[in-house]
Amino acid sequence: DAMVIQNPRYQVTQFGKPVTLSCSQTLNHNVMYWYQQKSSQAPKLLFHYYDKDFNNEADTPDNFQSRRPNTSFCFLDIRSPGLGDAAMYLCATSRDWDSINEQFFGPGTRLTVL
Amino acid sequence: SQQGEEDPQALSIQEGENATMNCSYKTSINNLQWYRQNSGRGLVHLILIRSNEREKHSGRLRVTLDTSKKSSSLLITASRAADTASYFCATARSNDYKLSFGAGTTVTVRA
Repeated sequence: DAMVIQNPRYQVTQFGKPVTLSCSQTLNHNVMYWYQQKSSQAPKLLFHYYDKDFNNEADTPDNFQSRRPNTSFCFLDIRSPGLGDAAMYLCATSRDWDSINEQFFGPGTRLTVL
Repeated sequence: SQQGEEDPQALSIQEGENATMNCSYKTSINNLQWYRQNSGRGLVHLILIRSNEREKHSGRLRVTLDTSKKSSSLLITASRAADTASYFCATARSNDYKLSFGAGTTVTVRA
């Protein structure tokens, strides 16, 4: 089945130690998104790629970076994780730019910062 | 920024009962979408209703949209234990591909 895959499902890192989360998709969608979701809160969009074009949200901290080496893969890099970065990180895709498109989500990566 | 606000924050019902949750938003929209999230998992798209539609059905789900009141409701009929999850509304504004999510309604269906 076509899907959005996130690895790892659970990631534990130490305060200040860089960490990379990965996302892959078999849907061949043009747009890939990264969301941060803290407990009992709404998913918060960090950034997205439309094809290779990177779009950062205005309030996304500089600590968060992303890479999309090809259509299928997208990475979230957290350069120096703080305790406040502990959250669920959700990757999503949509077929195209049109807002009519639904988003397809991966299962998420739960990040713990010690 | 968060545009949708769901109400209630939490809902507990008996299996077989109906569950209704509401979403209010602030600015004009192109469409409104409802997603379900099981505990510790990603979001699953349930239904999309466009701004020129008033009601939409999908299986046991019924969604209404009142653009004059900037509100939507999601009704789950004949609930099952498997419907236990958090439900989020998400709005898409015109000329903007991004979705703005509310904080969700947590639904617990008791057997």
